[in-house]
Amino acid sequence: GDSVTQMEGPVTLSEEAFLTINCTYTATGYPSLFWYVQYPGEGLQLLLKATKADDKGSNKGFEATYRKETTSFHLEKGSVQVSDSAVYFCAYYTGRRALTFGSGTRLQVQP
Amino acid sequence: EAGVTQSPTHLIKTRGQQATLRCSPISGHTSVYWYQQALGLGLQFLLWYDEGEERNRGNFPPRFSGRQFPNYSSELNVNALELEDSALYLCASSWDSNQPQHFGDGTRLSIL
Repeated sequence: GDSVTQMEGPVTLSEEAFLTINCTYTATGYPSLFWYVQYPGEGLQLLLKATKADDKGSNKGFEATYRKETTSFHLEKGSVQVSDSAVYFCAYYTGRRALTFGSGTRLQVQP
Repeated sequence: EAGVTQSPTHLIKTRGQQATLRCSPISGHTSVYWYQQALGLGLQFLLWYDEGEERNRGNFPPRFSGRQFPNYSSELNVNALELEDSALYLCASSWDSNQPQHFGDGTRLSIL
């Protein structure tokens, strides 16, 4: 069935390090893909999105490219900050507006 | 622009009781979605309402229900509460099928 697989966390990095969080999906067709971020005690915030193959979503220094051939949507940032510490969720529409989420990856950035 | 607002922030109930959670979508958004974020289970789709009608529901029992009002706000009702219903319930809204869902900060429901 449809699913999203994310790398397990926590991911612990030093400030200014390079970040990659892997995300792969199984789905038919060409689903829209999303990254959401959840800061402690808060709901989800949309970080970026891509709606078709080879689209690159970007926001706040984060980027992800929709790779149809590898069914992947990996999240990257060139230089993380302490304020980026949060849980990151990869997601896509499974149809009829239901979002399917990955299990989330906790990022801890140390000063 | 005000975001999605949910109330209450926290709700404490006992087993067997009923809980009502409320959500106001972003102005102009007509679709409302409910998700459950339970510890160890991740985020799971519960319900989708659009134009006052239930359009889709996830794999949850019938004691999870809700409605959408003419002003597009929504209620989620959970009857006969069980311990495993303890979770963060997130509401989201969107105005078009091609637009992403925007989430509120959630209601934390604790069952004692």
